[in-house]
Amino acid sequence: GAVVSQHPSRVICKSGTSVKIECRSLDFQATTMFWYRQFPKQSLMLMATSNEGSKATYEQGVEKDKFLINHASLTLSTLTVTSAHPEDSSFYICSARGASGSYEQYFGPGTRLTVT
Amino acid sequence: GQQVMQIPQYQHVQEGEDFTTYCNSSTTLSNIQWYKQRPGGHPVFLIQLVKSGEVKKQKRLTFQFGEAKKNSSLHITATQTTDVGTYFCAGPETGGFKTIFGAGTRLFVKA
Repeated sequence: GAVVSQHPSRVICKSGTSVKIECRSLDFQATTMFWYRQFPKQSLMLMATSNEGSKATYEQGVEKDKFLINHASLTLSTLTVTSAHPEDSSFYICSARGASGSYEQYFGPGTRLTVT
Repeated sequence: GQQVMQIPQYQHVQEGEDFTTYCNSSTTLSNIQWYKQRPGGHPVFLIQLVKSGEVKKQKRLTFQFGEAKKNSSLHITATQTTDVGTYFCAGPETGGFKTIFGAGTRLFVKA
């Protein structure tokens, strides 16, 4: 149980285009989803916290107009990188926390974004 | 702000040697979690500790939660090449929804 999928796993896009990444909890309802960014050999950098049916809470320094997050249902959250630039190239990982009150997070497999 | 610190940053061991990573929080935690991320992979939840002084074992892995609930450790006995990866500890944000992750300890195991 507690499987989280993420799509796509890899994407290459041109500078100026937008990319949407989907995160789904497959076998549980996720009241809270998180979006992280990870640079090579570094820790997880939390970008935003997403609660179903409400606006995402962004971390300081993360542009909400550039990284659009929509948590449309208890099993789906999307991250759209708008007007992508090469510096947005990174590994983006989502995670989901269930409604049981437990704190453990289940991570998706990640999306490697390359902006050319 | 609230911080979770982990040491060492990385460690190289010979296969069969033991390994320990330490986690310290700037605040008292209601619980602590440990995750493992293999190279090229994503973090995978290993365990959650809740009680003061709690010790849990998973095969060769031993997890401890300090009496003051501000520190934790992960000990691997007789490392194997399959233990390679980055180990993260994490704790809940006091009064918030977030989880604060440590910087991780990268484990390299030489066969």
